[in-house]
Amino acid sequence: SQQGEEDPQALSIQEGENATMNCSYKTSINNLQWYRQNSGRGLVHLILIRSNEREKHSGRLRVTLDTSKKSSSLLITASRAADTASYFCATVPSLIQGAQKLVFGQGTRLTINP
Amino acid sequence: EAQVTQNPRYLITVTGKKLTVTCSQNMNHEYMSWYRQDPGLGLRQIYYSMNVEVTDKGDVPEGYKVSRKEKRNFPLILESPSPNQTSLYFCASSPWRGGFQETQYFGPGTRLLVL
Repeated sequence: SQQGEEDPQALSIQEGENATMNCSYKTSINNLQWYRQNSGRGLVHLILIRSNEREKHSGRLRVTLDTSKKSSSLLITASRAADTASYFCATVPSLIQGAQKLVFGQGTRLTINP
Repeated sequence: EAQVTQNPRYLITVTGKKLTVTCSQNMNHEYMSWYRQDPGLGLRQIYYSMNVEVTDKGDVPEGYKVSRKEKRNFPLILESPSPNQTSLYFCASSPWRGGFQETQYFGPGTRLLVL
């Protein structure tokens, strides 16, 4: 069963603009992870944020987590053509019996136009 | 270099012909898993393993088998492949801390076509 749901499913912006993607989930989590996938290739880890954290940064990436709303957002600032990819959120449930599974959302397809 | 390797990268086979996709990691991770990725369905977990000789089903285990005899290897076995197993397969590994998974390290993927 899919827990993470990304929004929007597709996003097209101009180079230099900021891109925001959202992820919602259903059950309580231990951590939430964001990944990038270039077409047909392996997923690359971007950021892991734990349930007791509210915000994390990595270069041009900023991730927020609101556990009361069961949602997270990924912000990419000053986008570049190389940021064109699919972005996925994945959640690790906090319940021990479910913690072994990592549940991915459907992904957001981001296109950066030159 | 820390990595997860998968072989083969591309495979075309026929219905019913047993095949194995190998996966190996050199990071001494406890946790390993297999996913399949299909258009419109995202990544779905097939099987996972929390350590040697400890494996369990993910969300879509039918038609697949796995084994974890060594910590570094986690092969995916299709005993009798069918066309609905045509997909892009990813192996991943992760450290296991305090009872929870951490960052996943993904292999490059294996594109399988079953005729």
